[in-house]
Amino acid sequence: AQSVTQLGSHVSVSEGALVLLRCNYSSSVPPYLFWYVQYPNQGLQLLLKYTSAATLVKGINGFEAEFKKSETSFHLTKPSAHMSDAAEYFCAVIMPGDTGRRALTFGSGTRLQVQP
Amino acid sequence: DAGVIQSPRHEVTEMGQEVTLRCKPISGHNSLFWYRQTMMRGLELLIYFNNNVPIDDSGMPEDRFSAKMPNASFSTLKIQPSEPRDSAVYFCASSFGGAGNQPQHFGDGTRLSIL
Repeated sequence: AQSVTQLGSHVSVSEGALVLLRCNYSSSVPPYLFWYVQYPNQGLQLLLKYTSAATLVKGINGFEAEFKKSETSFHLTKPSAHMSDAAEYFCAVIMPGDTGRRALTFGSGTRLQVQP
Repeated sequence: DAGVIQSPRHEVTEMGQEVTLRCKPISGHNSLFWYRQTMMRGLELLIYFNNNVPIDDSGMPEDRFSAKMPNASFSTLKIQPSEPRDSAVYFCASSFGGAGNQPQHFGDGTRLSIL
């Protein structure tokens, strides 16, 4: 069964600093990988997705993530944090293939705080 | 374009009452998902439909929960009778296609409080 682990339930950075949110997956084949962001009292918004094309994926709001099969990782980065980036971020997976489960399996989330 | 629409946004009711949550997926999407978010368990799938047919309901907690999708533009999640432990935020999401690589679009959720 696939699973996804997010290291660090809380991450705090200064405005303008690098953002690094970690995500590792556990499955026998590379899954489809997604990053979602959740602002308070809102639903989840897709930031970016990896679906076996380019390993470096660019998303919205300046975020990007790199798929590394050897490390089974899909870490999310942003070169310079903005106050508006403060939110909770979720890594999620879906297994490919016709018989794969179509629902997202989510990590536990990482709450990003941005200090002025 | 309209996104996934959920109603109500907030629901407060007493234990034992029936609760019905509603979802209108994005037009043209053929997969619909119900998720529940709690502090203790995070985000977890309850059930999902493909072409209006329930495909995976393994996440439905117990017989008190039921979900229907009578047509491509409407789904309900019902809890009867409700219990305090059902308090959570319930999200509906929809996507197009069955290949798994299509992103799911989420509604703003229903925040449910059972007193």
